[in-house]
Amino acid sequence: KAGVTQTPRYLIKTRGQQVTLSCSPISGHRSVSWYQQTPGQGLQFLFEYFSETQRNKGNFPGRFSGRQFSNSRSEMNVSTLELGDSALYLCASSLAGGSAEAFFGQGTRLTVV
Amino acid sequence: DQQVKQNSPSLSVQEGRISILNCDYTNSMFDYFLWYKKYPAEGPTFLISISSIKDKNEDGRFTVFLNKSAKHLSLHIVPSQPGDSAVYFCAASLPSGNMLTFGGGTRLMVKP
Repeated sequence: KAGVTQTPRYLIKTRGQQVTLSCSPISGHRSVSWYQQTPGQGLQFLFEYFSETQRNKGNFPGRFSGRQFSNSRSEMNVSTLELGDSALYLCASSLAGGSAEAFFGQGTRLTVV
Repeated sequence: DQQVKQNSPSLSVQEGRISILNCDYTNSMFDYFLWYKKYPAEGPTFLISISSIKDKNEDGRFTVFLNKSAKHLSLHIVPSQPGDSAVYFCAASLPSGNMLTFGGGTRLMVKP
């Protein structure tokens, strides 16, 4: 059974640009969550999608957005990139809604220069 | 306001001994707790979880204990192996969905 796949693995962008990251969850999983990991803030929740609907949202500015498709694949978008957006972005998939184990992908390392 | 805290940033243990990693939380609405192991530049790997209706869950060398009255959980690894060396995160979730709140992590070093 394939795990959570995130693409790309590494990305370098310039300030002011926008970026789209992709996540394919484990087959059969309908919940996809996104997290940001930085040395200063640790692992922080961005948002969760379940059945194509955003169900939870973390405390991030509106420049961070996401969506989920009917096949449960998800994308997150960051617009008007800032240097502080440099981080490891992690996607996690879960089987169902509420209190389920979340399985993480390898992450996308975004560097903003 | 950190709702989940791991007060020990690092822990060093001899191979074969027990490793005990601790985690405290403040939100009594959390109903599910998880432990993850993480290597640099990789995603966290799920280790073990526990529901708030239980006080212990065991899986091989890993045991998680939950003390709801103290809002405290711990992960025991017995026996510790050098391959266990990594950063360990505890996480908690609310009943409303799969939004995990993570602690800051504890770096475990198991010496041969």
